[in-house]
Amino acid sequence: DTAVSQTPKYLVTQMGNDKSIKCEQNLGHDTMYWYKQDSKKFLKIMFSYNNKELIINETVPNRFSPKSPDKAHLNLHINSLELGDSAVYFCASSQLAGGTDTQYFGPGTRLTVL
Amino acid sequence: RKEVEQDPGPFNVPEGATVAFNCTYSNSASQSFFWYRQDCRKEPKLLMSVYSSGNEDGRFTAQLNRASQYISLLIRDSKLSDSATYLCVVNRGNFNKFYFGSGTKLNVKP
Repeated sequence: DTAVSQTPKYLVTQMGNDKSIKCEQNLGHDTMYWYKQDSKKFLKIMFSYNNKELIINETVPNRFSPKSPDKAHLNLHINSLELGDSAVYFCASSQLAGGTDTQYFGPGTRLTVL
Repeated sequence: RKEVEQDPGPFNVPEGATVAFNCTYSNSASQSFFWYRQDCRKEPKLLMSVYSSGNEDGRFTAQLNRASQYISLLIRDSKLSDSATYLCVVNRGNFNKFYFGSGTKLNVKP
């Protein structure tokens, strides 16, 4: 069974479109994250939720809106896509919101904006 | 200054070699330290946590030097399957962010 799953795996779209990426974890973890990995492979946190509550909200354009309907799901909606949004987006989860816990990553969603 | 800095490499080593990576972190309040491994076009996976006293897991040894604010990873008897990018990760504690280094690429050659 996949621990952290994301859909879609690949997303190719035009500038200006709106798209969503979904993430689900079946590990029973309390905390979920969205990361962006750019072309230089630098992995940067965007958002973190603990028990459906937003606890980390990085300096991310407000075109990006996360939603956590329950603690097993964390979705990411992106409005008015721009070329610079092209990247790999990883969802992750951990048992605790604290820093001592292992994070488990999903397989990533490779977003290409044309 | 970046929160976590790593030499991007690549480190090209023959099978059987011993290789070491260092990572420096800027915030002395950092409390938790990890090494993750990322294969090409895959997600990062935890390799090992790094404890104050240093720790070993098979061929892998991690060390933490709080005074100098660096973390190291030593790989002994390198295998072809060790080829990957190794990410240094630090965290300042509860409800805080994980900061990732940009990774060090290792190529192990036959």
